Amino acid sequence: EPEVTQTPSHQVTQMGQEVILRCVPISNHLYFYWYRQILGQKVEFLVSFYNNEISEKSEIFDDQFSVERPDGSNFTLKIRSTKLEDSAMYFCASSEEGGPQPQHFGDGTRLSIL
Amino acid sequence: GQSLEQPSEVTAVEGAIVQINCTYQTSGFYGLSWYQQHDGGAPTFLSYNALDGLEETGRFSSFLSRSDSYGYLLLQELQMKDSASYFCAVRDAYSGGGADGLTFGKGTHLIIQP
Repeated sequence: EPEVTQTPSHQVTQMGQEVILRCVPISNHLYFYWYRQILGQKVEFLVSFYNNEISEKSEIFDDQFSVERPDGSNFTLKIRSTKLEDSAMYFCASSEEGGPQPQHFGDGTRLSIL
Repeated sequence: GQSLEQPSEVTAVEGAIVQINCTYQTSGFYGLSWYQQHDGGAPTFLSYNALDGLEETGRFSSFLSRSDSYGYLLLQELQMKDSASYFCAVRDAYSGGGADGLTFGKGTHLIIQP
């Protein structure tokens, strides 16, 4: 069964550095999402992406964050000038269509800021 | 804004039936979804209700009452592998582009005892 893949599985970075989290959505999916989950807390929506542009973003997704689809297969989340509170699990998801269609999640990247 | 309430923890016995409730407050409603998450794993889609009533998928069923802003997930013939966290989620306000982020509840940790 096709799946969403994320790399790396674990990223350790010094505070203030930039990180890029990478995702390969399911190949025929057109809608892409980033979520984060701070340890022990709920999953929080960051941003959605469709037709090569941001469709929706939450208040968490401020100027520190950006997303890009650099080619036909990858979808990236860049976090500039990382802070301690950015430590979390970051999940990429994709769906074949928009609306109520199931979102398929990757296994996540655990980001640890030191 | 959106908010969802669900119990933090539920304990049940292997082979039994358990119901996980979810109440929600939303500015607009476009359906209630349920996701399962094992420790350290990715959220996995279980079910979606847009209209009132019961949706059945194997051992899992989900119910929605829009007038009561209430839904539940019913798990039957519980197995040890069902031990996980279960999240209800609603779509954020319809953005028009279809790539609507999900707002998750805080999750219910289901503990299955032999």
